[in-house]
Amino acid sequence: QQQVKQSPQSLIVQKGGISIINCAYENTAFDYFPWYQQFPGKGPALLIAIRPDVSEKKEGRFTISFNKSAKQFSLHIMDSQPGDSATYFCAASMNNDKIIFGKGTRLHILP
Amino acid sequence: NAGVMQNPRHLVRRRGQEARLRCSPMKGHSHVYWYRQLPEEGLKFMVYLQKENIIDESGMPKERFSAEFPKEGPSILRIQQVVRGDSAAYFCASSLQPGRHGYTFGSGTRLTVV
Repeated sequence: QQQVKQSPQSLIVQKGGISIINCAYENTAFDYFPWYQQFPGKGPALLIAIRPDVSEKKEGRFTISFNKSAKQFSLHIMDSQPGDSATYFCAASMNNDKIIFGKGTRLHILP
Repeated sequence: NAGVMQNPRHLVRRRGQEARLRCSPMKGHSHVYWYRQLPEEGLKFMVYLQKENIIDESGMPKERFSAEFPKEGPSILRIQQVVRGDSAAYFCASSLQPGRHGYTFGSGTRLTVV
């Protein structure tokens, strides 16, 4: 059973455009929703995270939008750059437990 | 301040051999998590350990896989009698506190079974 569903599987965006990756979850006990960025040959790195008591969190060009009633959250990358090309994972955890990851989105930014 | 160190980076084993993967957490981190990554499958949780204790092994296959995190030294993920299906990238992560503050991942060990 996949607890965090992520889409799309792959995404191509023009330089300067907005990249949007979506995630949905079922378990309402989740209370921490991080996004991770992974470059080829590297481990995932924490990019930005949100808790369900806020609807939006912004850090630079990266924004998480959170819809608690719909059990959905998304990552928006503004002014996307070729250096943003990577695999992005949404994730969730609860009660200080292990983090559960989505299957990932392979993002490619065209120069 | 070294990050999470995993070695070896690449490991090739013949079917039936043992694979031993090592993970040294960040300094001061006592929580270690192992994940397996297969193409198109994302990161699958395997096991969560604290020093000398296995806290959650719900993602570990019932046979051939084991993990430890001794009082001294790195955490070890051991795979006995490897099969082709064990070929994957194995990532270790550590944290200062469990769960909510995110993990720091190592660069992984890429296991290839021939």
